[in-house]
Amino acid sequence: KAGVTQTPRYLIKTRGQQVTLSCSPISGHRSVSWYQQTPGQGLQFLFEYFSETQRNKGNFPGRFSGRQFSNSRSEMNVSTLELGDSALYLCASSSRLAGGQRDEQFFGPGTRLTVL
Amino acid sequence: GQQVMQIPQYQHVQEGEDFTTYCNSSTTLSNIQWYKQRPGGHPVFLIQLVKSGEVKKQKRLTFQFGEAKKNSSLHITATQTTDVGTYFCAGHRTGNQFYFGTGTSLTVIP
Repeated sequence: KAGVTQTPRYLIKTRGQQVTLSCSPISGHRSVSWYQQTPGQGLQFLFEYFSETQRNKGNFPGRFSGRQFSNSRSEMNVSTLELGDSALYLCASSSRLAGGQRDEQFFGPGTRLTVL
Repeated sequence: GQQVMQIPQYQHVQEGEDFTTYCNSSTTLSNIQWYKQRPGGHPVFLIQLVKSGEVKKQKRLTFQFGEAKKNSSLHITATQTTDVGTYFCAGHRTGNQFYFGTGTSLTVIP
């Protein structure tokens, strides 16, 4: 099986611009989660989508949004970029198991976003 | 809100020494996962613990889930240079997202 893919891998933007990141999960996985990773804050959860519905949302401002398509591919959008948005954005796909248990998360290589 | 704390933040060990990282949650967890992230890489799943008091081993790695399902540990015996990386725990409560610990960065000195 192909792994989780993320595009683009690197992105440089300026303050005030917006950006869209894309994530293609492992075939058959319907759950996609997004994380922001920075050296000081570790992995911060952004949101999770399952079957095109947002199931969980982290503590990020409304400038961060996402969506999932019928083929389980997901995008996240950040509007009005700020310097502090510079980070590695990771997406992870997984299966949801019976009884609410969760399976392992498979992470993509990430998109390195730099805001100047 | 739920928090998952992980200590220590950094650990330097001589090759051959043991290493342990600890994870503590403010609330009872349904399960906990452990991940390893090599420098420049992305997190890779190591193991999932589900049962209270569960202990699992993978070669030199031993994982434990506390009786109250609020803490966990990862112990590496006789570290090797290939163990270098950051180890994260990720706690989960049914219906909620995963809460990642801040990670422990392991450096192994040859």
